[in-house]
Amino acid sequence: EAQVTQNPRYLITVTGKKLTVTCSQNMNHEYMSWYRQDPGLGLRQIYYSMNVEVTDKGDVPEGYKVSRKEKRNFPLILESPSPNQTSLYFCASSFRSGNTIYFGEGSWLTVV
Amino acid sequence: QQQVKQSPQSLIVQKGGISIINCAYENTAFDYFPWYQQFPGKGPALLIAIRPDVSEKKEGRFTISFNKSAKQFSLHIMDSQPGDSATYFCAASNNNAGNMLTFGGGTRLMVKP
Repeated sequence: EAQVTQNPRYLITVTGKKLTVTCSQNMNHEYMSWYRQDPGLGLRQIYYSMNVEVTDKGDVPEGYKVSRKEKRNFPLILESPSPNQTSLYFCASSFRSGNTIYFGEGSWLTVV
Repeated sequence: QQQVKQSPQSLIVQKGGISIINCAYENTAFDYFPWYQQFPGKGPALLIAIRPDVSEKKEGRFTISFNKSAKQFSLHIMDSQPGDSATYFCAASNNNAGNMLTFGGGTRLMVKP
């Protein structure tokens, strides 16, 4: 089954404690990205990657890091989380630019 | 400042009625306009999409109307059903900008039985 899998699905953490949200896709997609969803703002892109070792900033990259060492994985790293990063995060992938984008089921992150 | 503005934020429709959600965009370089449907606890899923070379696209009960000169597009759900109750997002992207989707703020649709 074609899937975008992200973990953890739910996490409560404290300010400043580094965390990583993993994302993996099994569709051999070249393109992967991370979004955050906040009420009234829709989804905003954090970072995207067009292929292995190629990453670029989206609309709201501050406070986040990513890496793309393998085609299937695209982890999101919060080096020093702050309460304004409390949000619902989605990983997404597509075969290439212009194709249908598939989303994971989301990761609820709360920073206290 | 949002580049894609969506309205209304919430919508209540009776079963069998027509649901209409509107979006307006600013960037004339956008060349792909998808609509996503999101159920609670799930990620958004592509519902229907249109490119600016056509003014309308229909798939079953779902229709996108596109007005390039006005920089507006809308989603029409005919014969709305309770199972259509979800949050709907319009989006836009520029193929030359790395497939970055710019989303509207979302519309929470409730279809009453």
